[in-house]
Amino acid sequence: SQQGEEDPQALSIQEGENATMNCSYKTSINNLQWYRQNSGRGLVHLILIRSNEREKHSGRLRVTLDTSKKSSSLLITASRAADTASYFCATDPIGANNLFFGTGTRLTVIP
Amino acid sequence: ETGVTQSPTHLIKTRGQQVTLRCSSQSGHNTVSWYQQALGQGPQFIFQYYREEENGRGNFPPRFSGLQFPNYSSELNVNALELDDSALYLCASSLQGSDEQFFGPGTRLTVL
Repeated sequence: SQQGEEDPQALSIQEGENATMNCSYKTSINNLQWYRQNSGRGLVHLILIRSNEREKHSGRLRVTLDTSKKSSSLLITASRAADTASYFCATDPIGANNLFFGTGTRLTVIP
Repeated sequence: ETGVTQSPTHLIKTRGQQVTLRCSSQSGHNTVSWYQQALGQGPQFIFQYYREEENGRGNFPPRFSGLQFPNYSSELNVNALELDDSALYLCASSLQGSDEQFFGPGTRLTVL
């Protein structure tokens, strides 16, 4: 399967703490993307990291990519209650023209 | 807001019926992809349309079909609905060759 697998499936933290989510995948990729989804609504694109990049930052988000281990992590620093959502990694495999999503991590930030 | 719109927002159908879902892509985008997201799962790729032709398909049966119009908007048609077709259907628009896809809010389909 080319699907990414997120870990953990669910995460509950206090506001102000950092949240780390991990993603593993199986094939060679052009890039890996992280998306956020609130309560079964549309997906919001958070950040894209290309296969030749190792780390990327966007505001409170930090993404790492290790292509040798076929894994990525998303770190949300100083979490807020509004960060409560499901987070998905999506891989863009070489030779494919679509994204492959994992099953997601459900993050709950407690005020 | 991504500029991608979908209609309807919610839909209830019964087994065996047919359904058409609609998607308007973001201005300037020529590619539309459709995904099915079952409850508690990640989105699964159904197919992609580029220049009014199917440009890739996931592991979905032929009763899932689509169209893309000259203005790049798109339809997803599902015939002979089954209970397992109950899901959130997402469309995403992009520019061919670009890495990023912009998702609409989805259509929630319930099959009874």
